[in-house]
Amino acid sequence: DAGVIQSPRHEVTEMGQEVTLRCKPISGHDYLFWYRQTMMRGLELLIYFNNNVPIDDSGMPEDRFSAKMPNASFSTLKIQPSEPRDSAVYFCASSLATSGGLTRQYFGPGTRLTVL
Amino acid sequence: AQKVTQAQTEISVVEKEDVTLDCVYETRDTTYYLFWYKQPPSGELVFLIRRNSFDEQNEISGRYSWNFQKSTSSFNFTITASQVVDSAVYFCALSEAGRWGGSEKLVFGKGTKLTVNP
Repeated sequence: DAGVIQSPRHEVTEMGQEVTLRCKPISGHDYLFWYRQTMMRGLELLIYFNNNVPIDDSGMPEDRFSAKMPNASFSTLKIQPSEPRDSAVYFCASSLATSGGLTRQYFGPGTRLTVL
Repeated sequence: AQKVTQAQTEISVVEKEDVTLDCVYETRDTTYYLFWYKQPPSGELVFLIRRNSFDEQNEISGRYSWNFQKSTSSFNFTITASQVVDSAVYFCALSEAGRWGGSEKLVFGKGTKLTVNP
């Protein structure tokens, strides 16, 4: 079975450019999470969706960041305009709710973003 | 607010040594969930274990074992007879009960980098 798919795997852009990260969750999963990993701040939850609806976006750093989930098999995280401090690894994860909540989150391989 | 502390930033051991990674958590909820994830040098995050707050039984899986103690708010992870392939960053994470009482979003500790030398 295919796991969580993220694209691109690496992105290098210049400050001020728009960046779009993409994620395809595991088929059938009803939760999708976006995380950011940096040396300084570690792994931070940015936003998560349940059944394509954003549930908690309190981790989104500022208005330059936006995320959408137009359908159950696709999500995007957009940064516009990008800044050097946005350089990080961005992970997407998906999960399936059970009677006991989420048993685990399945992480994608991450997108390494470098903003020059 | 929930918080996870992994006080050990880096640990270095020699192969075959036992090593324990510490995790201390803070939460006001009585229902919560604890996790460990592994991040090898290749960068992906690999799930290791999930425990809920009602189950304090220790768990053993091969060379891995976990000690959950609510009295000290700790969920420590021990690798017995460590191997070079165990070299990775290990993250402890906490999830408070979500909208329907189950686990939802995770709060991660800063991670412990384990290096196992041959």
